[in-house]
Amino acid sequence: DAKTTQPNSMESNEEEPVHLPCNHSTISGTDYIHWYRQLPSQGPEYVIHGLTSNVNNRMASLAIAEDRKSSTLILHRATLRDAAVYYCIPRNFGNEKLTFGTGTRLTIIP
Amino acid sequence: DTGVSQNPRHKITKRGQNVTFRCDPISEHNRLYWYRQTLGQGPEFLTYFQNEAQLEKSRLLSDRFSAERPKGSFSTLEIQRTEQGDSAMYLCASSLPLRLAGGIGEQFFGPGTRLTVL
Repeated sequence: DAKTTQPNSMESNEEEPVHLPCNHSTISGTDYIHWYRQLPSQGPEYVIHGLTSNVNNRMASLAIAEDRKSSTLILHRATLRDAAVYYCIPRNFGNEKLTFGTGTRLTIIP
Repeated sequence: DTGVSQNPRHKITKRGQNVTFRCDPISEHNRLYWYRQTLGQGPEFLTYFQNEAQLEKSRLLSDRFSAERPKGSFSTLEIQRTEQGDSAMYLCASSLPLRLAGGIGEQFFGPGTRLTVL
């Protein structure tokens, strides 16, 4: 499994955009980049995934570097409910398990 | 609520006792996963089932751990002769078959069972 490096923690003001970086320099060409988040006292939940192109969904956007060695999860307008631990997970197509790192703990300041 | 459910939510036991946890996945999901999470760490994969077949087990799953999914629906995770190091959150997740999930297989997690071994 590709190793990932994420900041241990980040802070952002409410209603401002948040950019959560992830380095995955050992990613293979067939690994998708998944992001999950874990709200306090809950199990993780899926946020978004991508392979090469930038992706958008109702929760977030995912910007993937051209060399695929890094990606950035973008929350366009953070709310207090976005306070969570965010995990970046390279995952090979067809690989059943998710390999979590320690993630980034995001704190939202009212 | 049609999400993944886990019972009990909390379990306190004494060292050496056996414990069993239950997971009820989303009904149409044929894949079921168990993970363990200790404080400050991300979840770690333990095992997964496709229907009733257990297809992969982590080396974290020692011989004191056993998981079953007898009818391809709910699953149980049993820990025998618990040790203090078993104290953790045990998470269950389920997903659709990859061919129905665009080959990605988003996993839906339950709230977890928190085990404390005294």
